Amino acid sequence: EPEVTQTPSHQVTQMGQEVILRCVPISNHLYFYWYRQILGQKVEFLVSFYNNEISEKSEIFDDQFSVERPDGSNFTLKIRSTKLEDSAMYFCASSSLEKLFFGSGTQLSVL
Amino acid sequence: GESVGLHLPTLSVQEGDNSIINCAYSNSASDYFIWYKQESGKGPQFIIDIRSNMDKRQGQRVTVLLNKTVKHLSLQIAATQPGDSAVYFCAENTGPGGGATNKLIFGTGTLLAVQP
Repeated sequence: EPEVTQTPSHQVTQMGQEVILRCVPISNHLYFYWYRQILGQKVEFLVSFYNNEISEKSEIFDDQFSVERPDGSNFTLKIRSTKLEDSAMYFCASSSLEKLFFGSGTQLSVL
Repeated sequence: GESVGLHLPTLSVQEGDNSIINCAYSNSASDYFIWYKQESGKGPQFIIDIRSNMDKRQGQRVTVLLNKTVKHLSLQIAATQPGDSAVYFCAENTGPGGGATNKLIFGTGTLLAVQP
């Protein structure tokens, strides 16, 4: 069964460093998303991406965040200068329409 | 504001019993709802969805009920098994639909604990 894959599964970084989280969406999907989940809290929407541009973003997704689809298969989330409060599980998702399929996540720890 | 919340944060059931997990939503304009299952260390896994023009939808061992009058959603799991133990989230799609504007609002989650 096709699945969304994310790398790395765990990422530890120092505050102020840049991180790039990587995702390979399901191959025939056209819509891509990033969500995050702080430990013990709900899954929160960050951004949606379609046709090589952001279609919607939340207030969490500030200037420190960016997304890119550098080739036909990868979808990345970059955090330019990480803060302690960026520590969370980051989920990539993709969809052909409304049914979103999620990856297993990248656990980001900012020290 | 928009919100999706769960009535019960933890539900403990005996193996073989039926489970019912409830969810309240506040955005009456939402027209699409999904239940996800999340096991420890994994991403949300799609279980079942329902559109607002339906009251009930059945899958394999699962049924979702939608009551638009009181803005309530429930997930019923028949013959609950130990493998069903997980956190269950309801989510509503607050975008106008069509994929590009999907914006799922998740509830806080209910932990389902299945006792053998």
